[in-house]
Amino acid sequence: GQNIDQPTEMTATEGAIVQINCTYQTSGFNGLFWYQQHAGEAPTFLSYNVLDGLEEKGRFSSFLSRSKGYSYLLLKELQMKDSASYLCAVREGDYKLSFGAGTTVTVRA
Amino acid sequence: IAGITQAPTSQILAAGRRMTLRCTQDMRHNAMYWYRQDLGLGLRLIHYSNTAGTTGKGEVPDGYSVSRANTDDFPLTLASAVPSQTSVYFCASSEEGGGQETQYFGPGTRLLVL
Repeated sequence: GQNIDQPTEMTATEGAIVQINCTYQTSGFNGLFWYQQHAGEAPTFLSYNVLDGLEEKGRFSSFLSRSKGYSYLLLKELQMKDSASYLCAVREGDYKLSFGAGTTVTVRA
Repeated sequence: IAGITQAPTSQILAAGRRMTLRCTQDMRHNAMYWYRQDLGLGLRLIHYSNTAGTTGKGEVPDGYSVSRANTDDFPLTLASAVPSQTSVYFCASSEEGGGQETQYFGPGTRLLVL
């Protein structure tokens, strides 16, 4: 089974940096995903980590430490359109994804 | 390219009624999934299918059934709806199950059971 924890809410100012942490416990880790979900819409893929280290993709970066059961999503140069929920998801085996409850990020002008 | 479509977009259903949520993908993905999303609980896997002809149970399968007669369609049936099944239902698909294969989500079906 999975136990995935992430903060419920975060608020930041436009142009700033926000780091969303995710901790997990799993018996068969096979990758960690971050998804973005705007209110009333479907989740969309942001990043994937399976090995330790940092993956950078434009303004978004994701970090993984398998030994610590820890990941973070870093959002740089925040824009108003980044206001959304960010979902941490851990894959166990080949198919099943388990999701955290999500972190709602509010970007203020 | 439509990706994944779901129908209906939203539905109000009387308790005890039978309901089938439809999901179709045109990406020829092998794997498909059904999730429900509830406030404060996140997305929870109901059922999944690795390939046409096979299905498996997820985290919260009770009260739901699925079938996978072909690659494109993965309907979810509520045999006798109960108010606790009020939720937003997302269908998703992925090309394969492992590696970097991400899941692509449909727009969701908002279901209210009264």
